Amino acid sequence: QKEVEQNSGPLSVPEGAIASLNCTYSDRVSQSFFWYRQYSGKSPELIMSICSNGDKEDGRFTAQLNKASQYVSLLIRDSQPSDSATYLCAVNRNNDMRFGAGTRLTVKP
Amino acid sequence: GAVVSQHPSRVICKSGTSVKIECRSLDFQATTMFWYRQFPKKSLMLMATSNEGSKATYEQGVEKDKFLINHASLTLSTLTVTSAHPEDSSFYICSARDYRGAGELFFGEGSRLTVL
Repeated sequence: QKEVEQNSGPLSVPEGAIASLNCTYSDRVSQSFFWYRQYSGKSPELIMSICSNGDKEDGRFTAQLNKASQYVSLLIRDSQPSDSATYLCAVNRNNDMRFGAGTRLTVKP
Repeated sequence: GAVVSQHPSRVICKSGTSVKIECRSLDFQATTMFWYRQFPKKSLMLMATSNEGSKATYEQGVEKDKFLINHASLTLSTLTVTSAHPEDSSFYICSARDYRGAGELFFGEGSRLTVL
Protein backbone atom coordinates (compact mmCIF):
# COMPACT_ATOMS: atom_id res chain seq x y z
CA GLN A 1 0.00 0.00 0.00
CA LYS A 2 1.35 3.40 -0.95
CA GLU A 3 1.79 5.87 1.88
CA VAL A 4 -0.22 8.56 0.11
CA GLU A 5 -2.70 7.55 -2.55
CA GLN A 6 -4.45 9.70 -5.10
CA ASN A 7 -6.49 8.87 -8.14
CA SER A 8 -4.23 9.78 -11.05
CA GLY A 9 -7.15 10.97 -13.14
CA PRO A 10 -7.56 12.66 -15.42
CA LEU A 11 -10.49 14.31 -13.73
CA SER A 12 -12.47 16.44 -16.10
CA VAL A 13 -15.07 18.98 -14.99
CA PRO A 14 -16.88 21.76 -16.86
CA GLU A 15 -16.11 25.36 -16.11
CA GLY A 16 -18.06 26.61 -13.12
CA ALA A 17 -18.49 23.16 -11.56
CA ILE A 18 -17.05 21.87 -8.30
CA ALA A 19 -13.93 19.75 -8.65
CA SER A 20 -13.39 17.21 -5.90
CA LEU A 21 -9.94 15.76 -5.35
CA ASN A 22 -9.33 12.95 -2.89
CA CYS A 23 -6.38 11.56 -1.02
CA THR A 24 -5.91 8.74 1.47
CA TYR A 25 -2.89 8.06 3.64
CA SER A 26 -1.63 5.07 5.55
CA ASP A 27 0.19 6.55 8.55
CA ARG A 28 -2.34 7.12 11.30
CA VAL A 29 -0.13 9.49 13.25
CA SER A 30 0.35 11.92 10.37
CA GLN A 31 0.13 15.42 11.73
CA SER A 32 -0.40 17.89 8.93
CA PHE A 33 -1.66 17.77 5.40
CA PHE A 34 -1.08 19.92 2.36
CA TRP A 35 -2.39 20.43 -1.13
CA TYR A 36 -0.09 21.63 -3.89
CA ARG A 37 -0.86 22.59 -7.47
CA GLN A 38 1.62 21.88 -10.24
CA TYR A 39 1.24 23.26 -13.73
CA SER A 40 2.91 21.37 -16.54
CA GLY A 41 6.63 22.15 -16.62
CA LYS A 42 6.51 24.12 -13.38
CA SER A 43 7.29 23.32 -9.76
CA PRO A 44 4.58 22.70 -7.16
CA GLU A 45 3.00 25.64 -5.39
CA LEU A 46 1.25 25.43 -2.06
CA ILE A 47 -2.52 25.90 -2.10
CA MET A 48 -3.33 25.25 1.52
CA SER A 49 -2.61 23.25 4.61
CA ILE A 50 -4.90 21.58 7.12
CA CYS A 51 -4.10 20.06 10.49
CA SER A 52 -7.43 19.57 12.27
CA ASN A 53 -10.45 17.47 11.42
CA GLY A 54 -13.12 19.30 9.50
CA ASP A 55 -13.15 21.87 6.76
CA LYS A 56 -10.83 24.75 6.02
CA GLU A 57 -11.79 27.29 3.41
CA ASP A 58 -9.62 29.69 1.45
CA GLY A 59 -11.34 31.49 -1.38
CA ARG A 60 -12.62 28.95 -3.89
CA PHE A 61 -10.70 26.15 -2.19
CA THR A 62 -11.89 23.99 0.70
CA ALA A 63 -9.73 21.32 2.30
CA GLN A 64 -11.44 18.60 4.28
CA LEU A 65 -9.72 16.30 6.74
CA ASN A 66 -11.01 13.15 8.40
CA LYS A 67 -8.26 11.58 10.47
CA ALA A 68 -10.40 8.63 11.56
CA SER A 69 -10.86 7.65 7.92
CA GLN A 70 -7.33 8.78 6.98
CA TYR A 71 -8.78 10.87 4.24
CA VAL A 72 -8.15 14.40 3.01
CA SER A 73 -9.84 16.12 0.12
CA LEU A 74 -9.74 19.38 -1.80
CA LEU A 75 -12.82 21.01 -3.27
CA ILE A 76 -12.48 23.68 -5.91
CA ARG A 77 -15.64 25.73 -6.39
CA ASP A 78 -16.47 27.59 -9.58
CA SER A 79 -13.69 25.76 -11.42
CA GLN A 80 -11.86 27.76 -14.05
CA PRO A 81 -9.77 26.59 -17.02
CA SER A 82 -6.79 28.09 -15.21
CA ASP A 83 -7.30 25.49 -12.47
CA SER A 84 -6.27 22.78 -14.94
CA ALA A 85 -3.15 21.28 -13.37
CA THR A 86 -1.92 18.34 -11.36
CA TYR A 87 -2.85 18.47 -7.69
CA LEU A 88 -0.50 16.88 -5.20
CA CYS A 89 -1.53 15.72 -1.75
CA ALA A 90 1.22 15.77 0.88
CA VAL A 91 1.21 14.24 4.33
CA ASN A 92 3.61 15.22 7.07
CA ARG A 93 4.73 13.27 10.12
CA ASN A 94 7.62 14.42 12.26
CA ASN A 95 8.99 16.60 9.47
CA ASP A 96 8.91 13.74 7.00
CA MET A 97 6.75 14.90 4.09
CA ARG A 98 5.34 12.30 1.72
CA PHE A 99 3.68 13.14 -1.58
CA GLY A 100 1.01 11.40 -3.57
CA ALA A 101 1.51 10.89 -7.27
CA GLY A 102 -1.00 13.62 -8.04
CA THR A 103 -4.38 13.94 -9.74
CA ARG A 104 -4.55 15.63 -13.11
CA LEU A 105 -7.50 18.01 -13.33
CA THR A 106 -8.84 19.42 -16.57
CA VAL A 107 -11.47 22.17 -16.49
CA LYS A 108 -13.21 22.47 -19.83
CA PRO A 109 -14.53 25.86 -20.97
CA GLY B 1 4.28 32.36 1.48
CA ALA B 2 7.98 31.84 1.83
CA VAL B 3 10.22 32.30 -1.17
CA VAL B 4 12.65 29.70 -2.45
CA SER B 5 14.73 30.60 -5.45
CA GLN B 6 16.47 28.11 -7.72
CA HIS B 7 19.05 28.79 -10.38
CA PRO B 8 19.56 28.13 -13.24
CA SER B 9 16.07 27.45 -14.55
CA ARG B 10 17.39 25.75 -17.64
CA VAL B 11 20.74 24.27 -18.49
CA ILE B 12 21.99 22.37 -21.49
CA CYS B 13 25.33 20.67 -21.25
CA LYS B 14 27.47 18.12 -23.00
CA SER B 15 27.79 14.60 -21.74
CA GLY B 16 30.59 14.26 -19.20
CA THR B 17 30.39 17.76 -17.79
CA SER B 18 29.25 18.70 -14.30
CA VAL B 19 26.35 21.00 -13.57
CA LYS B 20 25.67 22.91 -10.37
CA ILE B 21 22.18 23.97 -9.31
CA GLU B 22 21.64 26.45 -6.49
CA CYS B 23 18.70 26.65 -4.13
CA ARG B 24 18.21 29.65 -1.86
CA SER B 25 15.65 30.45 0.80
CA LEU B 26 15.19 34.19 0.38
CA ASP B 27 13.18 35.25 3.42
CA PHE B 28 13.74 32.54 5.97
CA GLN B 29 16.47 30.25 7.22
CA ALA B 30 16.32 26.62 6.22
CA THR B 31 18.34 24.09 8.17
CA THR B 32 16.95 21.43 5.89
CA MET B 33 16.33 21.52 2.17
CA PHE B 34 15.13 18.78 -0.12
CA TRP B 35 16.07 17.85 -3.65
CA TYR B 36 13.59 16.19 -5.98
CA ARG B 37 13.71 14.87 -9.47
CA GLN B 38 10.75 14.64 -11.80
CA PHE B 39 10.46 13.01 -15.20
CA PRO B 40 7.74 14.13 -17.62
CA LYS B 41 4.25 13.26 -16.38
CA LYS B 42 5.69 11.39 -13.42
CA SER B 43 5.49 12.13 -9.73
CA LEU B 44 8.09 13.89 -7.62
CA MET B 45 10.91 11.65 -6.51
CA LEU B 46 12.81 12.66 -3.40
CA MET B 47 16.52 12.33 -4.06
CA ALA B 48 18.08 13.59 -0.87
CA THR B 49 17.69 15.71 2.21
CA SER B 50 20.25 18.46 2.54
CA ASN B 51 21.27 19.30 6.10
CA GLU B 52 23.05 22.54 6.93
CA GLY B 53 26.52 21.88 8.25
CA SER B 54 26.40 18.12 7.85
CA LYS B 55 26.19 15.42 5.22
CA ALA B 56 23.15 15.01 3.07
CA THR B 57 20.88 12.02 3.51
CA TYR B 58 20.26 10.21 0.24
CA GLU B 59 17.25 8.12 -0.68
CA GLN B 60 17.77 4.52 -1.64
CA GLY B 61 19.03 4.13 -5.18
CA VAL B 62 20.41 7.66 -5.49
CA GLU B 63 24.14 7.75 -6.12
CA LYS B 64 25.93 9.97 -3.62
CA ASP B 65 28.97 10.42 -5.82
CA LYS B 66 26.82 11.30 -8.79
CA PHE B 67 24.66 13.89 -7.08
CA LEU B 68 26.79 15.97 -4.74
CA ILE B 69 24.91 18.09 -2.24
CA ASN B 70 26.36 20.92 -0.21
CA HIS B 71 24.44 22.94 2.35
CA ALA B 72 27.01 25.43 3.51
CA SER B 73 24.70 28.05 4.96
CA LEU B 74 21.20 28.40 6.36
CA THR B 75 19.96 29.85 3.08
CA LEU B 76 21.84 27.97 0.39
CA SER B 77 22.01 24.38 -0.79
CA THR B 78 23.63 23.24 -4.02
CA LEU B 79 23.21 20.11 -6.09
CA THR B 80 26.00 19.16 -8.47
CA VAL B 81 25.31 16.56 -11.10
CA THR B 82 28.75 15.17 -11.82
CA SER B 83 29.79 13.70 -15.16
CA ALA B 84 26.29 14.17 -16.48
CA HIS B 85 24.86 11.77 -19.05
CA PRO B 86 21.72 11.96 -21.18
CA GLU B 87 19.82 9.77 -18.71
CA ASP B 88 20.37 12.49 -16.09
CA SER B 89 18.22 14.84 -18.14
CA SER B 90 15.29 15.72 -15.91
CA PHE B 91 13.52 18.44 -13.96
CA TYR B 92 15.28 19.01 -10.63
CA ILE B 93 13.37 20.83 -7.91
CA CYS B 94 14.49 21.94 -4.48
CA SER B 95 12.31 22.77 -1.52
CA ALA B 96 12.70 24.13 1.97
CA ARG B 97 10.51 23.93 5.01
CA ASP B 98 9.27 27.10 6.66
CA TYR B 99 8.84 26.43 10.36
CA ARG B 100 7.30 29.82 11.01
CA GLY B 101 3.92 28.41 9.95
CA ALA B 102 2.61 24.86 9.72
CA GLY B 103 5.91 23.56 8.44
CA GLU B 104 4.93 23.88 4.82
CA LEU B 105 7.37 22.97 2.10
CA PHE B 106 8.00 25.71 -0.43
CA PHE B 107 9.50 24.83 -3.76
CA GLY B 108 12.00 26.53 -5.97
CA GLU B 109 11.14 27.17 -9.60
CA GLY B 110 12.91 24.04 -10.74
CA SER B 111 15.86 23.47 -13.04
CA ARG B 112 15.44 21.68 -16.31
CA LEU B 113 18.62 19.84 -17.21
CA THR B 114 19.25 18.58 -20.72
CA VAL B 115 22.38 16.55 -21.31
CA LEU B 116 23.35 16.16 -24.94
